[in-house]
Amino acid sequence: DQQVKQNSPSLSVQEGRISILNCDYTNSMFDYFLWYKKYPAEGPTFLISISSIKDKNEDGRFTVFLNKSAKHLSLHIVPSQPGDSAVYFCAASVNNNDMRFGAGTRLTVKP
Amino acid sequence: DAGVTQSPTHLIKTRGQQVTLRCSPKSGHDTVSWYQQALGQGPQFIFQYYEEEERQRGNFPDRFSGHQFPNYSSELNVNALLLGDSALYLCASVTSGQSTDTQYFGPGTRLTVL
Repeated sequence: DQQVKQNSPSLSVQEGRISILNCDYTNSMFDYFLWYKKYPAEGPTFLISISSIKDKNEDGRFTVFLNKSAKHLSLHIVPSQPGDSAVYFCAASVNNNDMRFGAGTRLTVKP
Repeated sequence: DAGVTQSPTHLIKTRGQQVTLRCSPKSGHDTVSWYQQALGQGPQFIFQYYEEEERQRGNFPDRFSGHQFPNYSSELNVNALLLGDSALYLCASVTSGQSTDTQYFGPGTRLTVL
């Protein structure tokens, strides 16, 4: 059962523009959501997170938005940089347990 | 600080064989989780070890087993390998009680089953 879905396998944006990566989930019990970034030949690295009691969390160029009623979250990167090119995974957990990942979105930022 | 290290980097096995993958957690971390990432998919949680015991387990058959040693390092064992076990196996470590924000992943072991 795929409880976390990233329906866009890839996204290409121009340097300096906004990148918006989307994620949907089905389990209303999820209370913590994370975004990871993965470069080739490396493990995923934590990027930003949000608790279900919030609807927005911002860290520099990265902002995560959570819409609980729609069971949807998104990651905004602005401005996008070529170094942001990577695979981005959305993940969700219940009480810090049994983290579920989406299939990932490959972001390409063109100079 | 070496972070999370995994060995070997790559491995090729044939169906029916057994395999052991190894993980050393980041310094200061005492909890190790294993994930399977099939091609084109996100990581799937296999199990988590703390204090040398399996604390949580995902939806994986008991062909998948593990072990944690007193120095917090861990092994993942897979018996009776199937073609479908071909994947990147990721190890992640964290300090017990800390948020998953602080979980660090290793680079993974790429297992190919022929």
